[in-house]
Amino acid sequence: AQKITQTQPGMFVQEKEAVTLDCTYDTSDQSYGLFWYKQPSSGEMIFLIYQGSYDEQNATEGRYSLNFQKARKSANLVISASQLGDSAMYFCAMRTQYNFNKFYFGSGTKLNVKP
Amino acid sequence: GAVVSQHPSWVICKSGTSVKIECRSLDFQATTMFWYRQFPKQSLMLMATSNEGSKATYEQGVEKDKFLINHASLTLSTLTVTSAHPEDSSFYICSASPRGRGPEAFFGQGTRLTVV
Repeated sequence: AQKITQTQPGMFVQEKEAVTLDCTYDTSDQSYGLFWYKQPSSGEMIFLIYQGSYDEQNATEGRYSLNFQKARKSANLVISASQLGDSAMYFCAMRTQYNFNKFYFGSGTKLNVKP
Repeated sequence: GAVVSQHPSWVICKSGTSVKIECRSLDFQATTMFWYRQFPKQSLMLMATSNEGSKATYEQGVEKDKFLINHASLTLSTLTVTSAHPEDSSFYICSASPRGRGPEAFFGQGTRLTVV
């Protein structure tokens, strides 16, 4: 069975500081992809970053980086230099090779950036 | 990225009536689309997979007769909440993953349904 776990319901971070949002996953598939999405209060789902299971380098996209530790089955999102606009829900998600179309989402982390 | 458009963005309806939500892929053809439901402060729950030209595949526990899905063309899937009740009030969001556009799923803007 596939499962995504986000253990931080809520996080606070000071503006301009870095923050790490935790995500662990469970799958028996060898080929899979890990994703982070941002959901502001408007409800839209904004894709942030992707890491493939065979990628050796950690993914980076601007201020976002994914700390991928395959042996520990973790895929933490690091946001550097937090901005007020980063306040939102963040979801970790996974899709696997054998059920390519299906995304599994974690329960989410509510990030609040304080001025 | 690919564009998925969802309409309406919000709707209020009376208990017992039906509501239709549309999900369109604007710049690609989608043989498969996905419908999710999200309760406040919770995660997205996959309701069903919409397949163009064939029956939708529903997740366990989702009532097929309650949530009718039609995928009549390669760019449009519709979700109809039939005989809506207040407990159906929720945020509904669709997604698609076009081949060759990257690994991520693209989401519509979502529809906030309130049944009164």
